[in-house]
Amino acid sequence: DSGVTQTPKHLITATGQRVTLRCSPRSGDLSVYWYQQSLDQGLQFLIHYYNGEERAKGNILERFSAQQFPDLHSELNLSSLELGDSALYFCASSPTTVGNGELFFGEGSRLTVL
Amino acid sequence: AQSVTQPDIHITVSEGASLELRCNYSYGATPYLFWYVQSPGQGLQLLLKYFSGDTLVQGIKGFEAEFKRSQSSFNLRKPSVHWSDAAEYFCAVGPSGGYQKVTFGIGTKLQVIP
Repeated sequence: DSGVTQTPKHLITATGQRVTLRCSPRSGDLSVYWYQQSLDQGLQFLIHYYNGEERAKGNILERFSAQQFPDLHSELNLSSLELGDSALYFCASSPTTVGNGELFFGEGSRLTVL
Repeated sequence: AQSVTQPDIHITVSEGASLELRCNYSYGATPYLFWYVQSPGQGLQLLLKYFSGDTLVQGIKGFEAEFKRSQSSFNLRKPSVHWSDAAEYFCAVGPSGGYQKVTFGIGTKLQVIP
């Protein structure tokens, strides 16, 4: 158990809909990262938050947005969903913003868009 | 731009046999290198990392990896594979500036047969 909690574990929805994925980082970790894992593209970095502030954006679509709340949990909002958005979405946390440590991953939220 | 190549998408080994998973990277300076493992239905877990110093790095679960600058490689090895090692393995490369800049490979799925 990494200490990172993601909900829901599975989500099935229709094209055009909107969903929210939630992540609770490990206790004390200030950084939250979101990744998208698809079969053909591997693990793609989406966005990074540190202590409530956005620090970096990766390959995140404009239809997607995220935020980190004062209690440090984070939500990833996906809207106007398309079939191609079907993927496993991972949240990871770390104590700081520096990349020389370990990322702790949640078990992921599997999104299926029909 | 940095990149990671894991040339083997799928590898099958017999239990007790040795294992080597290949990873080649492209990066302009001395990289930070990582190997993560993803067991079925789980998030990614850090196996080992290389930042500097000894080029042979020991990790958890009996794994090791060797950084070879001349070959731009960071291959993962284990002398004797156990059935519980069946999982997907990801190599990753990045600078020291944070995980938002870390690039993950597409992964190698390891199957262990009796």
